[in-house]
Amino acid sequence: DAMVIQNPRYQVTQFGKPVTLSCSQTLNHNVMYWYQQKSSQAPKLLFHYYDKDFNNEADTPDNFQSRRPNTSFCFLDIRSPGLGDAAMYLCATSRGRTGPYEQYFGPGTRLTVT
Amino acid sequence: KQEVTQIPAALSVPEGENLVLNCSFTDSAIYNLQWFRQDPGKGLTSLLLIQSSQREQTSGRLNASLDKSSGRSTLYIAASQPGDSATYLCAVLGNQFYFGTGTSLTVIP
Repeated sequence: DAMVIQNPRYQVTQFGKPVTLSCSQTLNHNVMYWYQQKSSQAPKLLFHYYDKDFNNEADTPDNFQSRRPNTSFCFLDIRSPGLGDAAMYLCATSRGRTGPYEQYFGPGTRLTVT
Repeated sequence: KQEVTQIPAALSVPEGENLVLNCSFTDSAIYNLQWFRQDPGKGLTSLLLIQSSQREQTSGRLNASLDKSSGRSTLYIAASQPGDSATYLCAVLGNQFYFGTGTSLTVIP
C-alpha cells in the first residue's frame, strides 16, 4: 500500500546532541510537511517542501532544519535539541499545496530529550 | 490568520449513542476541510475530506457536513462504539493547513 513512513518511531536524544528524523513516501506527492505536536495540542506546522522549494514558517526556530534529497524522502534535523523540543513529530504529504488536496500522515516519531 | 476551534474539548458518551463533534473556523476562504482521528501516541488517520464546493461526505457510520459561509463543520458519529474512543481533529486548508486542538472522545462500554 502507498503510504507515509517515519523512522524511527521513538527517538531518545541528549540535550544538545543533534538528531535527524526521517520520512519517506510512496505516494509520489509533491508536498511534504513537518509538524510538531506537543501533548494535548494541535499539530504545529514547522515547514514544508513543494518539490524542491523549501518553505519555512516564520516562527520555526533556527534550530530546526530540513532536507529533501528527492521526491520520496524528507528529513528533519534538530541541531541542538532542548528539553522543550520533546514532542511528537509528524510528517505529512499532499499532492498540492493549495486546492482540494488531502493530507496523508505518517505514524509520527516520538522524540524524548534527556 | 485562520483560527480553528473545536468544541467540546472532551466528550464522554455511552456505547450506542449518536454524537456530534463541532469545528468552527474564522476565514471562509478555504479549499477543503479534513477530519482526522488520532489515537494516543499515534499519527493522524484521515477520516473524511470535504471540498469547499461540497456540503457533506459520508463514510460508514461517519458523516461530515460543511457550511463554509458560517465557518462550521460537524462530524456525526452514529451508533458509537468503544473503538471510536480517540481524539478527533479537524483541519482546514487555506493558504496552509490549520488544525483545531481536537475533541477527545471516550465511548463507555
